[in-house]
Amino acid sequence: DAGITQSPRYKITETGRQVTLMCHQTWSHSYMFWYRQDLGHGLRLIYYSAAADITDKGEVPDGYVVSRSKTENFPLTLESATRSQTSVYFCASSESEAFGELFFGEGSRLTVL
Amino acid sequence: LAKTTQPISMDSYEGQEVNITCSHNNIATNDYITWYQQFPSQGPRFIIQGYKTKVTNEVASLFIPADRKSSTLSLPRVSLSDTAVYYCLVGDIGNTGFQKLVFGTGTRLLVSP
Repeated sequence: DAGITQSPRYKITETGRQVTLMCHQTWSHSYMFWYRQDLGHGLRLIYYSAAADITDKGEVPDGYVVSRSKTENFPLTLESATRSQTSVYFCASSESEAFGELFFGEGSRLTVL
Repeated sequence: LAKTTQPISMDSYEGQEVNITCSHNNIATNDYITWYQQFPSQGPRFIIQGYKTKVTNEVASLFIPADRKSSTLSLPRVSLSDTAVYYCLVGDIGNTGFQKLVFGTGTRLLVSP
């Protein structure tokens, strides 16, 4: 089915472990984004990508790594998870840099113990 | 420095018109203004987008004054299902020269019977 999918939807891990959240979109959108949303807070941009192999930091990039080897995939890696990274992570894609219509995935809820 | 400023919360009753104002004093010439709606446990959903003056679609209107330093989302005759968080969003040029889309703090709208 066309759309944007995230996996896993739920993940529990321990402090210090590496975790990768996957994001896949079928529209061939150039732009992809990772946001985190903490309980009671708005969305904060972690990283974004304008095209394959082009990425840039957002508001809160520390502790995260991204890659974009293929247009359709934009994985987010927590190299050494910390409790403060417990959050809901949303991936989004957009066709255009100028027009702000983002299409969001369903979110990945990550708990770091 | 916050890109946008919105009221934290608003209350309304069914059938009333709701106006949510967003301040974006540092908006750039090529920035569009976009509003999103988010229900609990879901990713945000696009509502409306505009550049100047007034834009209307089937669910909302967006009013943007000539100086573009603010915008107002207008929801006509709200229902209980309009209870959600509403985000105002403008672009922000990142290090790569492309726009990164940064959300504001959001306005929590509660519609009561």
